[in-house]
Amino acid sequence: DTGVSQDPRHKITKRGQNVTFRCDPISEHNRLYWYRQTLGQGPEFLTYFQNEAQLEKSRLLSDRFSAERPKGSFSTLEIQRTEQGDSAMYLCASSSPNRGHTEAFFGQGTRLTVV
Amino acid sequence: DQQVKQNSPSLSVQEGRISILNCDYTNSMFDYFLWYKKYPAEGPTFLISISSIKDKNEDGRFTVFLNKSAKHLSLHIVPSQPGDSAVYFCAASEATSGTYKYIFGTGTRLKVLA
Repeated sequence: DTGVSQDPRHKITKRGQNVTFRCDPISEHNRLYWYRQTLGQGPEFLTYFQNEAQLEKSRLLSDRFSAERPKGSFSTLEIQRTEQGDSAMYLCASSSPNRGHTEAFFGQGTRLTVV
Repeated sequence: DQQVKQNSPSLSVQEGRISILNCDYTNSMFDYFLWYKKYPAEGPTFLISISSIKDKNEDGRFTVFLNKSAKHLSLHIVPSQPGDSAVYFCAASEATSGTYKYIFGTGTRLKVLA
């Protein structure tokens, strides 16, 4: 199966620790998105990559958050000095640039719990 | 500032009947709309999309209608099946953003009763 893969699926961390999540998009997709979803809300946009270039960051993404896509393939999202408010589902999605607008395919998400 | 709104948090429908899920948006620059379905502990799954140049798109049991003047779209599921029970999100995107990012509503939980 060549869907979007996220690792880990679950992460429990103590407040103040750093965490890093990985996303492997569908291989031919060069658009990659990170979203965050909390209970009762829809996914909220965090950041977007086209190939290795990070083209947009949401105001939701504080200085403690950083994302990379070093070779235009997989991406990582790091949260430094985690806070309880960071507890959420972190979703990665990818899409193909071959047409202007196209649907994005999401991974299973990484559930982060900060205790 | 909620640009995409789903005002019904939940909906219950009898199996075999029609499910109608609604979505409103405020940004007139949105030109592409999508519906996703989400089961617990999974990522959203793409269902169907529609471009602003159309007013209807159909795929099997799923039909999306777009009313641009009202800034309203709806998803019709006919006939509804118990396996359709999930949370449904509408999303919108604008080409002028350059990133084609999707703005999501808060979701409607559909329960199809057997």
